[in-house]
Formats: sequence, C-alpha cells, structure tokens
Amino acid sequence: IAGITQAPTSQILAAGRRMTLRCTQDMRHNAMYWYRQDLGLGLRLIHYSNTAGTTGKGEVPDGYSVSRANTDDFPLTLASAVPSQTSVYFCASSPTGGTGELFFGEGSRLTVL
Amino acid sequence: GQNIDQPTEMTATEGAIVQINCTYQTSGFNGLFWYQQHAGEAPTFLSYNVLDGLEEKGRFSSFLSRSKGYSYLLLKELQMKDSASYLCAVMDSNYQLIWGAGTKLIIKP
Repeated sequence: IAGITQAPTSQILAAGRRMTLRCTQDMRHNAMYWYRQDLGLGLRLIHYSNTAGTTGKGEVPDGYSVSRANTDDFPLTLASAVPSQTSVYFCASSPTGGTGELFFGEGSRLTVL
Repeated sequence: GQNIDQPTEMTATEGAIVQINCTYQTSGFNGLFWYQQHAGEAPTFLSYNVLDGLEEKGRFSSFLSRSKGYSYLLLKELQMKDSASYLCAVMDSNYQLIWGAGTKLIIKP
C-alpha cells in the first residue's frame, strides 16, 4: 500500500537517551517533513527536506536532527531526549517543496520520562 | 508574529450544516488549506484556496477572503463520521505552512 510508514508507533523513553524515529515513503515524493503536535497547539515544523541530500530547519529544530540520504527515508533523531520532547510526531511528504497538500504518516507517540 | 485563529470546539447535529471559521495574520500568503484529523489518526487534506471565493467539493466547501484574512469550512448534511478536528493552515511568503490549533467538531445524533 502506497504511503508513509512511521516507526515506532509509540515509545516510552528515559530522559537523556538517544532515539531515532523512522519515516519511509514509497510515493517518490521529493519533499519530506517532520512535525510535532501538542495539545492546544498547531502542528509545528521541526525539520524538512525539499530533495534528497538537503535538509532545512523549521520552527522548532533544537534538540533534533535529520538526514536525507535517499528519496524514501527521512529519520528524525533526538540526541538526548528531554521531557519537553514528549509529543506526537508526524512525518509528511509532498511531491515538491512549497506545496500545502501534504501526505502524513500515522504518527509516533513519544513519552520522555 | 504569525497567527492562525480558529474555535477550539464546536457541536452540531447529524444532518445539519456547520461552519468552521479561521482567521489569519501571516507574513505573506500563498494559499490556505483545510485538513481533517480523526482522533488518534493522521491529518488528511480536504481543500485548498488561493483566490477569493468558494471552492466546493461534495459536502464540503471552503471560502476565502484574502482582504479580511478569513476563511471558513462549510460541512453540509453532517454525518457521525465527520466528528474530527479540522485544521486550518496558511502558506506564508517563505512557502512554510503555519497551522492553527484545530477545531474539534462533535456531532450529536
């Protein structure tokens, strides 16, 4: 089934641990994004990539890093997790950058204790 | 700063019509988008407006007034499955999406 796959679906993590959220798409979309969604707030962009080999910082990039080695994969890494990074993380993609019609993965719920 | 405002929660009756408003103040404008998000699920794209006026897509319509910084999503013939959050987002001058916090729509029988 075409779309975006995120893993893990849910994770509880001790503060200070390193964590990588995986995101894979099979739609051959050039642009990919990582958002976090917190209660009472709109989706906030963490990092994005308009094409393989390039990445950019969004609104809330601190404490997160990404890589885009190929078109399909866009992992998000928390180098040393903190409780404020407890959130639901959504990966999304679009055929090109600068478009507002995004395709979202099912989300990864992360709890940092 | 950039801001998207929409009501936190609305309640409507099955079979009725509901209008969800969105006002925005952004640095530039390159389109307004509506998404639907069922509880515990991913957002899914509903509609896109870049010019003033009404865009109709089945039971859903979206309206835009750029001069007023205002949009609404109109849902007709409400069904129980329309219970969800509706997210308004604006693409700014840097082609970044700015998101509202969403409106939770509760449909009652």
